[in-house]
Amino acid sequence: EPEVTQTPSHQVTQMGQEVILRCVPISNHLYFYWYRQILGQKVEFLVSFYNNEISEKSEIFDDQFSVERPDGSNFTLKIRSTKLEDSAMYFCASSLALKETQYFGPGTRLLVL
Amino acid sequence: SQQGEEDPQALSIQEGENATMNCSYKTSINNLQWYRQNSGRGLVHLILIRSNEREKHSGRLRVTLDTSKKSSSLLITASRAADTASYFCATDRYNQGGKLIFGQGTELSVKP
Repeated sequence: EPEVTQTPSHQVTQMGQEVILRCVPISNHLYFYWYRQILGQKVEFLVSFYNNEISEKSEIFDDQFSVERPDGSNFTLKIRSTKLEDSAMYFCASSLALKETQYFGPGTRLLVL
Repeated sequence: SQQGEEDPQALSIQEGENATMNCSYKTSINNLQWYRQNSGRGLVHLILIRSNEREKHSGRLRVTLDTSKKSSSLLITASRAADTASYFCATDRYNQGGKLIFGQGTELSVKP
């Protein structure tokens, strides 16, 4: 069964460093998303992406964040200058269409020191 | 406003018993999705129920949706120790471009 994959599974970085989180969505899906979950808190929406552009973003998704689909398979989230409060589990998701099931990847646990 | 509030926050039952978790929301939705998360792991999709549906089944899972009360319930029948996890509802709000709004979740513990 097709699934969303994410790399790395864990990332430790120093405050102020740039990180790139990678995702490979399900191959025929058209809509892509990033969410995050701070330890012990709700899963929060960050951004949605369709047709090579951002469809919607949350207040969390400020200028330090960017997303890209550099080729036909990868979908990346970049944090330019990480802060301590960026420490969280980051989930990528994809769906075939709007209003359809969103399938989540296993997550990348980011720790900013 | 809070969207997707689950109750109870925690539920502990014996293997073989049924577990019922509830979710309430505040705005109109396209659909409501239930997910499971094992401790510190990824989100596994369980069921999607659309706003025009009232009940759906998948194996031992039964989901109901009452749009007049803006609430949903997830019933797991004949629970197993392997069902121990956190369960989240997530709403796809009407005219909101597909983003999911998650609740805090219900932590289910099934004791063997």
